[in-house]
Amino acid sequence: KAGVTQTPRYLIKTRGQQVTLSCSPISGHRSVSWYQQTPGQGLQFLFEYFSETQRNKGNFPGRFSGRQFSNSRSEMNVSTLELGDSALYLCASRSQGLATDTQYFGPGTRLTVL
Amino acid sequence: GQQVMQIPQYQHVQEGEDFTTYCNSSTTLSNIQWYKQRPGGHPVFLIQLVKSGEVKKQKRLTFQFGEAKKNSSLHITATQTTDVGTYFCADRSNFGNEKLTFGTGTRLTIIP
Repeated sequence: KAGVTQTPRYLIKTRGQQVTLSCSPISGHRSVSWYQQTPGQGLQFLFEYFSETQRNKGNFPGRFSGRQFSNSRSEMNVSTLELGDSALYLCASRSQGLATDTQYFGPGTRLTVL
Repeated sequence: GQQVMQIPQYQHVQEGEDFTTYCNSSTTLSNIQWYKQRPGGHPVFLIQLVKSGEVKKQKRLTFQFGEAKKNSSLHITATQTTDVGTYFCADRSNFGNEKLTFGTGTRLTIIP
């Protein structure tokens, strides 16, 4: 089975721009979560989608949004980029979103905001 | 909000020495997951602990969950160069609705 894929792998943007990141979960997985990883703040939960519905949301401003499609692929969008948004954005998928499911992370998208 | 701290932040050990990282929470942990992230890589799931006082082993790795469910530890016996990376604990709250609160991580480097 192919793993979680994320595109693009690297991205450079300037302040004020917006960006869309894509995540394709493992085939058959319906739950997709997004995390932001920075040296200063560590790994922080952004949101989780299950069957096209946002089930949980972390403490991030409204500039961070996401969605999930019927094929479970997910996108996250960051509008009005700030320098502090530079980070590794990781998505992770789980099978049914159950407590017993293992979470598999993708390789991440490295976003640099100049 | 909940804070999950790990100590130490960095650990340098000689190859063959043991290594331990400790995970402490300001609140009672629902259940603990451990991940390993290699340099330049992404977190990889290692194990999940659910029960108070639970101990699980994976070859040279031993995972423990505290009796009061406010701490956990990962112990590696006889480290190898392949153990290099950052080890994170994560509290899996809202059981069923995924929200992982990650610890601050411990970066392990091995001196050959």
